Amino acid sequence: AQTVTQSQPEMSVQEAETVTLSCTYDTSESDYYLFWYKQPPSRQMILVIRQEAYKQQNATENRFSVNFQKAAKSFSLKISDSQLGDAAMYFCAYRSGKTSGSRLTFGEGTQLTVNP
Amino acid sequence: DVKVTQSSRYLVKRTGEKVFLECVQDMDHENMFWYRQDPGLGLRLIYFSYDVKMKEKGDIPEGYSVSREKKERFSLILESASTNQTSMYLCASSALGRIGNTIYFGEGSWLTVV
Repeated sequence: AQTVTQSQPEMSVQEAETVTLSCTYDTSESDYYLFWYKQPPSRQMILVIRQEAYKQQNATENRFSVNFQKAAKSFSLKISDSQLGDAAMYFCAYRSGKTSGSRLTFGEGTQLTVNP
Repeated sequence: DVKVTQSSRYLVKRTGEKVFLECVQDMDHENMFWYRQDPGLGLRLIYFSYDVKMKEKGDIPEGYSVSREKKERFSLILESASTNQTSMYLCASSALGRIGNTIYFGEGSWLTVV
């Protein structure tokens, strides 16, 4: 079974600075997807960024980028120029590419605080 | 935009009551999921369904059942609610195929069992 681990329960960053959230996963599959979701106080889960395992290039979405290290099974999220609106719980998640009905397996979450 | 709607945002139920949590999606998605979210544990999958009347157990199905009579609706049922089922419940849906590898979530249902 796949597992996802986020070893940082809480992180904080100064506004306009850069922060990196860590995520490791364990799988024996070669075809899979990795995600970072953001959950603000409203509790609505918002997809931040997605990475296909077969792609070597790291995904980027505006101020959000990932460092995908497939051999090390590591998938960290970098937030540049942090804004107050980035404060939220962040979840790393894994999804198998084997079957289209497969589910997301989540990490424990990292609570990010942005200090003004 | 995809919309996943959970009809009840906040519920308070008594121990032993039967509880229904309803979820409706408007994008004709084949897959639907029920997760439970608890502090320090992330989201854990309770049940999922990949077609009408089909269901599969997730990681923590004990004490729960589900129903999917129509494609757009996926219900989570607590046959006899217990205090350890106090939690936030998230419904999600996705389409089949590689284009369906984004999962969309509802806003969550907070359940308190007293």
